[in-house]
Amino acid sequence: GAVVSQHPSWVICKSGTSVKIECRSLDFQATTMFWYRQFPKQSLMLMATSNEGSKATYEQGVEKDKFLINHASLTLSTLTVTSAHPEDSSFYICSAIQDDYEQYFGPGTRLTVT
Amino acid sequence: GNSVTQMEGPVTLSEEAFLTINCTYTATGYPSLFWYVQYPGEGLQLLLKATKADDKGSNKGFEATYRKETTSFHLEKGSVQVSDSAVYFCALSTVGGGGFKTIFGAGTRLFVKA
Repeated sequence: GAVVSQHPSWVICKSGTSVKIECRSLDFQATTMFWYRQFPKQSLMLMATSNEGSKATYEQGVEKDKFLINHASLTLSTLTVTSAHPEDSSFYICSAIQDDYEQYFGPGTRLTVT
Repeated sequence: GNSVTQMEGPVTLSEEAFLTINCTYTATGYPSLFWYVQYPGEGLQLLLKATKADDKGSNKGFEATYRKETTSFHLEKGSVQVSDSAVYFCALSTVGGGGFKTIFGAGTRLFVKA
């Protein structure tokens, strides 16, 4: 089946620094990728929808200047958390869909901001 | 708007017990329905899906039937194992003017005791 990878799987950074998370579709071209955030023991909340070559569409309440999304190719999307603060600590999960709208999830990236 | 409601957990069962996790949804149009499973520290894995009314999704002994009349997609398994301990998410996906969207339930944590 289709595989989506994320890198890194976990990262610790200092408050005020920026962190980039990569999401790759390994064996298929993804028309659209999604970024979700998950707090401990909670559900996934959609942050933004990313289409290759165009600007991401952010959900209400998500700061686009803080969570920068770049979808440079059909197999790679990146999420950069700028000027990270402890409240940005969370589990970030990406997913990708093909033309048949089958959604494949990455393994997640745990971000801890100290 | 669309929504998914699933039973609160945690659910604690003994090995070989029968499992039911209730899920109901509200949606316009004809959504596809999914159950995902999340093991600790990992992303989501698709467990099963159904794309139209009366479809039954099944996988690894789990099954769920798309009931349009009751807007439900309850997850069942006849005999759970310790390895089934995880968090289970019910979700619906739609494709419309706003593109592809997935809405997740809150998740139900399952503990299976030996």
